[in-house]
Amino acid sequence: EIVMTQSPATLSVSPGERATLSCRASQSVDSNLAWYQQKPGQAPRLLIYDASTRATDIPARFSGSGSGTEFTLTISSLQSEDFAVYYCQQYNKGPPWTFGQGTKVEIK
Amino acid sequence: EVQLVESGGGLVQPGGSLRLSCAASGFTFSNYAMNWVRQAPGKGLEWVSTISGNTVSTYYADSVKGRFTISRDNSKNTVSLQMNSLRAEDTAVYYCAKKASGGAYNWFDPWGQGTPVTVSS
Repeated sequence: EIVMTQSPATLSVSPGERATLSCRASQSVDSNLAWYQQKPGQAPRLLIYDASTRATDIPARFSGSGSGTEFTLTISSLQSEDFAVYYCQQYNKGPPWTFGQGTKVEIK
Repeated sequence: EVQLVESGGGLVQPGGSLRLSCAASGFTFSNYAMNWVRQAPGKGLEWVSTISGNTVSTYYADSVKGRFTISRDNSKNTVSLQMNSLRAEDTAVYYCAKKASGGAYNWFDPWGQGTPVTVSS
């Protein structure tokens, strides 16, 4: 099983600032990585797939990078609606298809 | 617009059974694998089960193998999760999620709104 580790667990950021979230895989997943956003009481929403491709209707301030075992989600200028929990998921090898434990982006 | 609507959640005693359903619309249902993903209270996301579009292949997390059964009815555009021998640790919101692509790789888009399952006496 591929273990996904996200850091930090919580990120405190002021509106308008940049947020950088990390995701590490226990073995290479090539570029087969997705990022999801989850707000309280809501279902997760796909943001990024194939490590760097934005999903439909996702704003350009969200960008993904990385390959192999190290990945980054960057939110260039945080808006109020971006405060949420973010999960990475590998789909290079499965089952099981595995998620990171999440990073909570909170208002500083 | 793709829509997924789950139903069937509720309160069940340990050792009991529950059947979740997910009604899909807005896409050619039989062309896509479907998934169940769960989230325990205050915790992260855990993949539970997947069924291929043609129903031939099914996959389960080790934590549910032998207790849960995934199935689908392509004539009714529904996918179900039969949960038996339920344990307290199965308490979670259960999401139905479509395999996003028609290719080999399984990422999830979109997700339903979720249905809560509580296992407690």
